[in-house]
Amino acid sequence: EDKVVQSPLSLVVHEGDTVTLNCSYEVTNFRSLLWYKQEKKAPTFLFMLTSSGIEKKSGRLSSILDKKELSSILNITATQTGDSAIYLCAVERRGGSEKLVFGKGTKLTVNP
Amino acid sequence: GAVVSQHPSRVICKSGTSVKIECRSLDFQATTMFWYRQFPKKSLMLMATSNEGSKATYEQGVEKDKFLINHASLTLSTLTVTSAHPEDSSFYICSARDPLDRAGNTIYFGEGSWLTVV
Repeated sequence: EDKVVQSPLSLVVHEGDTVTLNCSYEVTNFRSLLWYKQEKKAPTFLFMLTSSGIEKKSGRLSSILDKKELSSILNITATQTGDSAIYLCAVERRGGSEKLVFGKGTKLTVNP
Repeated sequence: GAVVSQHPSRVICKSGTSVKIECRSLDFQATTMFWYRQFPKKSLMLMATSNEGSKATYEQGVEKDKFLINHASLTLSTLTVTSAHPEDSSFYICSARDPLDRAGNTIYFGEGSWLTVV
């Protein structure tokens, strides 16, 4: 059975801190790993990772995939209160189905 | 960029009634759309895959007679919660893929619909 595990489930930091969120997966026919940020409504896309070892960056956020370790990390530097959200990791399988398997998410709280 | 629109964003209905949620791809054609359900503080759970012109594919444990999915056109899928009960109260989200989007983010989510059954 496909599985996506995120850790930690919850994290509380102060503004300015750097955080690392983890995602590990067990999926047959892996195609890609995606990171989403969810505030009060639907998730918003952050990154899609398909190749191992290539870092993707967007402002203070960055992410990298390790296919050997079947995992990915999402880094947020110089955190701000607006970064408070649930960060979801999802994995997409190759071939036929386009379904996403989601992890339970990491709830990040950034305090001023 | 591509947008998926979901309506209504919030709906309150009485137990025993049915409620319909629409998911539209606004500027692309989606042969496949996905319906998710999310309980408070929980992750997204895939309910079913909606296929244009054919029957939806339901995930294990999801009652197809209770959650009716219709994908009558390339831009519209509907989820109807029939004979709703309070335990059906949840956040429902649809997503769709733009088959022509090569930028990497090919899966787009609707805004979600909060359903409260009283």
